Amino acid sequence: GQQLNQSPQSMFIQEGEDVSMNCTSSSIFNTWLWYKQDPGEGPVLLIALYKAGELTSNGRLTAQFGITRKDSFLNISASIPSDVGIYFCAGQLSGGYQKVTFGTGTKLQVIP
Amino acid sequence: GAGVSQSPSNKVTEKGKDVELRCDPISGHTALYWYRQSLGQGLEFLIYFQGNSAPDKSGLPSDRFSAERTGGSVSTLTIQRTQQEDSAVYLCASSLRESSYEQYFGPGTRLTVT
Repeated sequence: GQQLNQSPQSMFIQEGEDVSMNCTSSSIFNTWLWYKQDPGEGPVLLIALYKAGELTSNGRLTAQFGITRKDSFLNISASIPSDVGIYFCAGQLSGGYQKVTFGTGTKLQVIP
Repeated sequence: GAGVSQSPSNKVTEKGKDVELRCDPISGHTALYWYRQSLGQGLEFLIYFQGNSAPDKSGLPSDRFSAERTGGSVSTLTIQRTQQEDSAVYLCASSLRESSYEQYFGPGTRLTVT
């Protein structure tokens, strides 16, 4: 089955720094999703990507859908303490109902 | 408006006991999903309900796991004869329709099997 590998697994950064994390897949996906999970909460969708090469921003967050359809990255600029959490990538094969495959997550800690 | 709610928020049970976990999806959402999240892991798909269609049970790890969705709304995930490896956070999500990528997650139920 599909596997999504996220890196890094965890990271500590200083407030104000930029952050980059990525996700690679053994299979092609047609949709890439990035979620954030705060402690004790369910994941919340941050950005959705639908086309290879697509670059999408949501405030300080920017994500790209890799040309090969097998990878995606998420950048966070000028990190703030509330960016702390676990970031998950997820892939979906096509429209209609398809299971969403989640990555293992990147745990982000921001040092004030 | 009200989001997805799950109950209980925490459940501690002895090995071998049965447990029931409940999910109330967002009103009007036709699709409902159950996931399992073990410590330090991503989300593992368990089961999916869409309207009156037969559920996709392909992610259920064993026949000890089952789920129902009554009246197209509330869902119950049942784990029979719990094992220690069943300890995890069980997350429920709903979406407006089957083709919607935007799944809204509940806060989860943390299950601990002792």
